[in-house]
Amino acid sequence: AQSVTQPDIHITVSEGASLELRCNYSYGATPYLFWYVQSPGQGLQLLLKYFSGDTLVQGIKGFEAEFKRSQSSFNLRKPSVHWSDAAEYFCAVGAPGGGADGLTFGKGTHLIIQP
Amino acid sequence: EAGVVQSPRYKIIEKKQPVAFWCNPISGHNTLYWYLQNLGQGPELLIRYENEEAVDDSQLPKDRFSAERLKGVDSTLKIQPAELGDSAVYLCASSLAGREASWSAQYFGPGTRLLVL
Repeated sequence: AQSVTQPDIHITVSEGASLELRCNYSYGATPYLFWYVQSPGQGLQLLLKYFSGDTLVQGIKGFEAEFKRSQSSFNLRKPSVHWSDAAEYFCAVGAPGGGADGLTFGKGTHLIIQP
Repeated sequence: EAGVVQSPRYKIIEKKQPVAFWCNPISGHNTLYWYLQNLGQGPELLIRYENEEAVDDSQLPKDRFSAERLKGVDSTLKIQPAELGDSAVYLCASSLAGREASWSAQYFGPGTRLLVL
């Protein structure tokens, strides 16, 4: 069974600084990969997804993520964070071949933005 | 385009009482999911529907939880009786994916926050 590890429970970044959130997955093949963001009291919003092709994917709100097969990682990045980026970020994987299977989520990283 | 709609947004009940959550997926999305999210955790799948068929309910605690999607559109998740440990956020998601279709991203509703006293 696949699993997802988000090593950082909390990350604090100054407004305007760059951001990288880590995600490592465990799966026998290349999974489908997703990043979601959840603001307090809200559902999950899809930031970006990787199915195949270019390993650097662009998402909404200025986010990007890079798939690195050799490291089993799919880290999320943003060059300059805004106070509105403060939220919970979840990495998730889906199994290829299970086209509609449920996703497996990490435990999330709580992003705090310092003024 | 309207997103996934869930109601109620918040529910407070006493233990042993029944409770029901409703979800209306994005129009045209044939696959519907119910997830459970405990505090400080990522969502965990409870049940997945393709149209009106429950194709994966292996994680649904069937002694007290039930779900239905009678016409293949909106869905109801029920707990009877509720226990203190059921306090969590119940998320509904939908997608275009299916057994005959390629992968499609899942889109989530705002969730129902349940508190059992």
